[in-house]
Amino acid sequence: ETGVTQSPTHLIKTRGQQVTLRCSSQSGHNTVSWYQQALGQGPQFIFQYYREEENGRGNFPPRFSGLQFPNYSSELNVNALELDDSALYLCASSKQRGEKLFFGSGTQLSVL
Amino acid sequence: AQKVTQAQTEISVVEKEDVTLDCVYETRDTTYYLFWYKQPPSGELVFLIRRNSFDEQNEISGRYSWNFQKSTSSFNFTITASQVVDSAVYFCALSDSGGSYIPTFGRGTSLIVHP
Repeated sequence: ETGVTQSPTHLIKTRGQQVTLRCSSQSGHNTVSWYQQALGQGPQFIFQYYREEENGRGNFPPRFSGLQFPNYSSELNVNALELDDSALYLCASSKQRGEKLFFGSGTQLSVL
Repeated sequence: AQKVTQAQTEISVVEKEDVTLDCVYETRDTTYYLFWYKQPPSGELVFLIRRNSFDEQNEISGRYSWNFQKSTSSFNFTITASQVVDSAVYFCALSDSGGSYIPTFGRGTSLIVHP
């Protein structure tokens, strides 16, 4: 089994820019979720995709958007970056909803 | 609405001490799942255990044990004879049907084990 991989590991952007984070899910996992983790906090749910369709969204504005592809990869896009978007972004996959999540190591995003 | 509270922000122990991490949850559903994850300094959350709401048996896995009590809405995690490698942030999480089984995480407890 391959694990969940995320790229890039670290990223520095300036306020107002756009960013795309990528994730390759574990093979056979058709559910992928994205989380934002601020320093010293627990992961906050952004959204979830199931078979390439969004099927759950947390309390994040529309400038956070995503895609899931048939090859188990997915993207998180953030437009008009704000300083508060600085955080660790985690991708997680699972076989089904409610089952254990397999996490990637995350992308550390810094917005200056 | 689902909610997970980990009241302990940071715990510091000396190696070989036993340590218990507390987790209290809130949910209106009768069917739900509880999880514990470990996040070492590398950043990747690692799954430790999943328990469904109908199974109140306590579980032991090596030095780890979990105490699930529906009466007090708690799912506590105990590490026996702690080791330096146990140093990490530990998260409790809850998923229920009201939340489409999307896990809600607590704020985490940072465990520091000193040699």
